[in-house]
Amino acid sequence: AQRVTQPEKLLSVFKGAPVELKCNYSYSGSPELFWYVQYSRQRLQLLLRHISRESIKGFTADLNKGETSFHLKKPFAQEEDSAMYYCALSDNNFNKFYFGSGTKLNVKP
Amino acid sequence: NAGVTQTPKFQVLKTGQSMTLQCAQDMNHNSMYWYRQDPGMGLRLIYYSASEGTTDKGEVPNGYNVSRLNKREFSLRLESAAPSQTSVYFCASSEGRAVEKLFFGSGTQLSVL
Repeated sequence: AQRVTQPEKLLSVFKGAPVELKCNYSYSGSPELFWYVQYSRQRLQLLLRHISRESIKGFTADLNKGETSFHLKKPFAQEEDSAMYYCALSDNNFNKFYFGSGTKLNVKP
Repeated sequence: NAGVTQTPKFQVLKTGQSMTLQCAQDMNHNSMYWYRQDPGMGLRLIYYSASEGTTDKGEVPNGYNVSRLNKREFSLRLESAAPSQTSVYFCASSEGRAVEKLFFGSGTQLSVL
């Protein structure tokens, strides 16, 4: 069965500190992986996706197939990064998306 | 550009009552989804519709039914609400390929007393 695990419920860092939000997955194929973000009082929205190899708002994520991980990183956290972050995996066979339990990032001034 | 529109935004039900959550998208997307969001559980897929005319169960379908009325609309029905269905419900849509992103509605906060 497909599964996405985010081990940290809450991550608190100071402004300017590096951030790493962990995501591990299990999937019996070649996964498509995403990070979604939900800012306070806003809709859940895509932050970045593996296939695009992009950097959005200074965030990057690398797919490590050996460790089955897709950790989200940012070298210098900003207060506006405070939000709920969800790692997600899409099932190529059925076009279903599975989400992790989410990590709340709190960036302190 | 409305995107994904959900109604209602808030609802309080008594145990045993029924209700339908409505969702519509104006992006001509093929696939639509219903998720519930619970603290510590993240988003869990209730039902999805890969294309017009098809629906399929997700991770937590019990107690729910869905209808893909047309390409635009995908409704979620609670026939006999239970307190365990207290949650925030999100509708989402996508073009229909696994690499495509999801567009979410603003959510429905449902309380079942």
